[in-house]
Amino acid sequence: DAKTTQPPSMDCAEGRAANLPCNHSTISGNEYVYWYRQIHSQGPQYIIHGLKNNETNEMASLIITEDRKSSTLILPHATLRDTAVYYCIVRSSSGTYKYIFGTGTRLKVLA
Amino acid sequence: GAVVSQHPSRVICKSGTSVKIECRSLDFQATTMFWYRQFPKQSLMLMATSNEGSKATYEQGVEKDKFLINHASLTLSTLTVTSAHPEDSSFYICSARVAPWETQYFGPGTRLLVL
Repeated sequence: DAKTTQPPSMDCAEGRAANLPCNHSTISGNEYVYWYRQIHSQGPQYIIHGLKNNETNEMASLIITEDRKSSTLILPHATLRDTAVYYCIVRSSSGTYKYIFGTGTRLKVLA
Repeated sequence: GAVVSQHPSRVICKSGTSVKIECRSLDFQATTMFWYRQFPKQSLMLMATSNEGSKATYEQGVEKDKFLINHASLTLSTLTVTSAHPEDSSFYICSARVAPWETQYFGPGTRLLVL
């Protein structure tokens, strides 16, 4: 299962874009990249996922490099409610298709 | 859509007793449910994978006789912590998905405190 590496923490000013990087250099061709966030004392919330192409939904955008070794989650206009731990996960492509959580990035949005 | 609930949200029990936690998919049928454990300031750690109608698959290091998992229907899985001890105090989170290639949706978690 591919491992992910994320910076432990980041700050972002309210109203600005938050760009959260993730390295997954050992990802294989058919493994998806998923992003979740966890607000204190709650279960993780699904944000977005992708395979090769960039993806966008109402919450965020996901940019995956052409070699797929890294990705960036973009929150276009961060608000205080976006303060959370963000997890980048590479989902296994065989067996139980389970998630292996890394350590995540603690994003703090500042007023 | 894709709502997962857990009950109870928090439980306090005495050492040596057993505690059952329920995980329900409210608006979809979940062929697979997962159970995770999270200690303070740490990431989620997968404990086991549960498929409806079959035995759960436990991750290495997780005692299957201590953490009993039952997935009797497509909308309900239960985790029973048997003979709980203070070191079992943790945040237990379940997730559910429709099919292997589908997204997992997580419950709100259950905080267990063993005295």
